[in-house]
Amino acid sequence: NAGVTQTPKFRILKIGQSMTLQCTQDMNHNYMYWYRQDPGMGLKLIYYSVGAGITDKGEVPNGYNVSRSTTEDFPLRLELAAPSQTSVYFCASSLLGYSNQPQHFGDGTRLSIL
Amino acid sequence: GQQVMQIPQYQHVQEGEDFTTYCNSSTTLSNIQWYKQRPGGHPVFLIQLVKSGEVKKQKRLTFQFGEAKKNSSLHITATQTTDVGTYFCAGLTTDSWGKFQFGAGTQVVVTP
Repeated sequence: NAGVTQTPKFRILKIGQSMTLQCTQDMNHNYMYWYRQDPGMGLKLIYYSVGAGITDKGEVPNGYNVSRSTTEDFPLRLELAAPSQTSVYFCASSLLGYSNQPQHFGDGTRLSIL
Repeated sequence: GQQVMQIPQYQHVQEGEDFTTYCNSSTTLSNIQWYKQRPGGHPVFLIQLVKSGEVKKQKRLTFQFGEAKKNSSLHITATQTTDVGTYFCAGLTTDSWGKFQFGAGTQVVVTP
């Protein structure tokens, strides 16, 4: 199994540009998450989804949007990139959000906004 | 809102020594997970604790959940260079519906 796959791995954007970070999982997990990790910091939840068609905000949702049209895919959209969004973005999935299931993380997308 | 604090933020350990990292929550947790992230890598699940006072061991790693379910610790004995990385705790409350709150992590550096 591939697990959680994120694309692209690296990206440089100019201020004001838009892009979509892709995330797909092949484990049939119902919960999916987007986190950002700033240098030397922990993970902050941006958005999460408990299943197809259902999404909700995390701690730091401003400047981002998500959709969940299928169980497998959970893309993260940046509409107007700002330097403050320079970070490493991790997508994760788990079988159940409220139970004894670990989160499986992708390899991350390293994003720089210049 | 729920706050999960980890201390220390940074731990420099001599190979062969023991150390402990602590995780404290401002609210009672239903469960807590621990992850390890190697430099340049992604977090990898280590363990989950659910019961009050629970203690679990994985080889040289001992994880403990406090009696009040508001704190947890990770103790590593006889540290090896393979233990290098950042250790995160992530807490879940009963009303947070799968939204784990991650601590800032303890970055561990091991010198031979």
